[in-house]
Amino acid sequence: DVKVTQSSRYLVKRTGEKVFLECVQDMDHENMFWYRQDPGLGLRLIYFSYDVKMKEKGDIPEGYSVSREKKERFSLILESASTNQTSMYLCASSPDRAGGEKLFFGSGTQLSVL
Amino acid sequence: GQSLEQPSEVTAVEGAIVQINCTYQTSGFYGLSWYQQHDGGAPTFLSYNGLDGLEETGRFSSFLSRSDSYGYLLLQELQMKDSASYFCAVQGSYGQNFVFGPGTRLSVLP
Repeated sequence: DVKVTQSSRYLVKRTGEKVFLECVQDMDHENMFWYRQDPGLGLRLIYFSYDVKMKEKGDIPEGYSVSREKKERFSLILESASTNQTSMYLCASSPDRAGGEKLFFGSGTQLSVL
Repeated sequence: GQSLEQPSEVTAVEGAIVQINCTYQTSGFYGLSWYQQHDGGAPTFLSYNGLDGLEETGRFSSFLSRSDSYGYLLLQELQMKDSASYFCAVQGSYGQNFVFGPGTRLSVLP
């Protein structure tokens, strides 16, 4: 089975801190995604990457950056955390081949910014 | 831009059939997917439609009409464990750029 692992289940940070959210997948998927999920708003795409060192902005990239130095790892960075970035963050991956219509999600990181 | 609409809540009883609709407006369209998410859990893939018509997977079926920019998820023989949120998602191009709807919370009553 595909496994997408997010480094933390719960995280509490202070306003202004730099925050790193890590995601690792073990199925050699080309595509990786970061979403945030807020009640009533569904999942909103922050950034995605279709190859190492490649990134594309999603719908809400402001205040975030990403890094993909290795195929299996996709990091989300909050340069200076703010309270409106308190949310559930979900990482996902998909193959760029047969089966590419399916996203595999990690269990999520609930980030609280105080 | 892309936008998807779903009902916010649906309630049904055990054993019943329920349909969750999804309409979309997208600049690119490759396929429509459905995901289930239980409280506190991660979304899990249920079904995918790349072509018009009905796809059946056990108790769940999904339908797509590309000309109407419309799809639905049909859940039959509802069980208590089906209580969850259901999201439709449009894929803008193959393997990339999935955009999700706001989700429909399904409550199954005994």
